[in-house]
Amino acid sequence: EVQLVESGGGLAQPGGSLRLSCAASGFTFSSYSMSWVRQAPGKGLEWVSVISPSGETTHYADSVKGRFTISRDNSKNTLHLQMNSLRVEDTAVYYCAKKYAPGTFPLDDWGQGTLVTVSS
Amino acid sequence: DIQLTQSPSFLSASVGDRVTITCRASQGISSYLAWYQQKSGKAPSLLIYAASTLQSGVPSRFSGSGSGTDFTLTISSLQPEDFATYYCQQLNSFPHTFGQGTKVEVK
Repeated sequence: EVQLVESGGGLAQPGGSLRLSCAASGFTFSSYSMSWVRQAPGKGLEWVSVISPSGETTHYADSVKGRFTISRDNSKNTLHLQMNSLRVEDTAVYYCAKKYAPGTFPLDDWGQGTLVTVSS
Repeated sequence: DIQLTQSPSFLSASVGDRVTITCRASQGISSYLAWYQQKSGKAPSLLIYAASTLQSGVPSRFSGSGSGTDFTLTISSLQPEDFATYYCQQLNSFPHTFGQGTKVEVK
């Protein structure tokens, strides 16, 4: 059974940093692209970032480009999202999700999410 | 970036109703579209991908159609567990944008 467990959320001040992690199990982590998707309170889903199986290729939403960095440690089956220069509008539940297959395939497994609150 | 517009944003329906949700892309995306269901307080779950392929384990009352810019999610006979919010997502090009969502409520 695929399991994705996010951690690292919490309260941060505007301009601050947080590092999210996602522990993966139940599948061959190093074979799958992984993504982060966020959802602000009471709002819809927003795609944030994706990383290839090897970690060599990444893509970001314009809203986080230059501030967030996605990475992975295939030896530890862990996905990360380093969030710098946080803004109030980054407040959201952050989900990690596994891509069904590279390229044009969807997100077929999701974690339960971790809440990030950016406030002074 | 490709924009996805779902309609309606809210839908009131009864158990047994046939429900149709549309998703329109701002430019052609071939069949690279997925549909997700999200229940309150839970993570989304994949229903359909490649516009019309049913994800394993998803009931056959769900179906998808379309290509290019216009897509449809249909629930043939709404069940109590189907009251939720539904999102489309395009996978044609980055960023892989989502529609704004359609909330299906009890009439």
